[in-house]
This record gives sequence, C-alpha cells and structure tokens, in this order.
Amino acid sequence: NAGVTQTPKFQVLKTGQSMTLQCAQDMNHNSMYWYRQDPGMGLRLIYYSASEGTTDKGEVPNGYNVSRLNKREFSLRLESAAPSQTSVYFCASTQATGLPTEAFFGQGTRLTVV
Amino acid sequence: GQSLEQPSEVTAVEGAIVQINCTYQTSGFYGLSWYQQHDGGAPTFLSYNGLDGLEETGRFSSFLSRSDSYGYLLLQELQMKDSASYFCAANNQAGTALIFGKGTTLSVSS
Repeated sequence: NAGVTQTPKFQVLKTGQSMTLQCAQDMNHNSMYWYRQDPGMGLRLIYYSASEGTTDKGEVPNGYNVSRLNKREFSLRLESAAPSQTSVYFCASTQATGLPTEAFFGQGTRLTVV
Repeated sequence: GQSLEQPSEVTAVEGAIVQINCTYQTSGFYGLSWYQQHDGGAPTFLSYNGLDGLEETGRFSSFLSRSDSYGYLLLQELQMKDSASYFCAANNQAGTALIFGKGTTLSVSS
C-alpha cells in the first residue's frame, strides 16, 4: 500500500515558470490537502478538497491553483513561480474532513524558485 | 480566524517527562490532534482528542480542555529518537480543514 504519493520529490524553477505538483492516494480517502512548510512557520494550508469535485482556499492560497482530478488525485499548480514560493510542499489525505481521523502525508516536494 | 499557539522549543534528557502545550482559537472547534515530524520527513499522526480528557497511547498521552481552549501532549520515558518537531492541529467544524500550529522542536539529550 503506497499511501500518499507526491511527484516530483525535488524541483528547481526559474522565476516566472509554471509547474504542477502531483499527489495521489490509494486509501479511498474523501479529503485531500496541500500544505507548504517553511522554517519556523509550521504547516500552512494552501488549498483543500473535502470531497471529489470540491475545492476550497486555505490560509495561503495566493499564487496557487488546484484541481481535484478524481477521488485519488489532487494537483497543485504554480502558474508563475516566485522566489517566495520556495518551500517544502506536502500533500495529505483524510477519510473525511472534520471527523476524528488521522491525516496521511506524502513525502514532500522540495521546491526552489531562483 | 484560526490560530494554534505552542512553544517553539523544548529540551529534556533521556528518561524524563515533557509536556508540550497548545492553545487554540478556532471557529467551530471539532477536535485536536498531534503529529510528529523528524527532520526531512513527513508528519505522522500521534493522537487525537475529540472530547475533554486524557487519551493514552503507549508513552504518549494527549489532553484536551474545551472550556480552556487548551491541550497538551505528554511524552514519558523520553528516548533520543523522540527528538523531533511536534505539531498540534485543529479540526474545526465538519466540512472544513485541518489547521496546524507552528510546531515545537523537542531536543532530547543523554
């Protein structure tokens, strides 16, 4: 059982380039999340999807877009990368938003924007 | 808005007991959970409190007081491998997302 899989693991972008971070889970979870983690800032929620077909903004959505492609996949797109988006990005999933259940995380994507 | 406050760093020695506190302000609070993250790794779930009181899982326990908007993680019989970052996270009202505190770095020395 792979759990939550993120690709790529590492990426270097130039300012202004675009890219899509991919996330897939094989646990039949309803809810999926994208977080960014910066030193001293903890995990900040970018976007989440409570169920297939829905997406909502989190704490820091500016500069990002998401797509819940199907129940398994939730992608994060940077349309025009900026150095401020240099971070570690984590995708996570839970059985259902709001229920007492654990979140499973992918291994992260380390993104550097130069 | 939503916010969770926890100390930035805690130090302890092997075999000791340490408590990491978390106070929260969220609209429609649903429950508090705790996660552990080792350097360079993904966060992993430790425990969840949906009701007031203590939840025990091996060497780790977690406590919640809704009336005080407060919870803590208690780590007993500390081991070197417990050196990591610990995050509290709030599930707010059903249908909304999981918000994390900034994390507490625990350093365990021998």
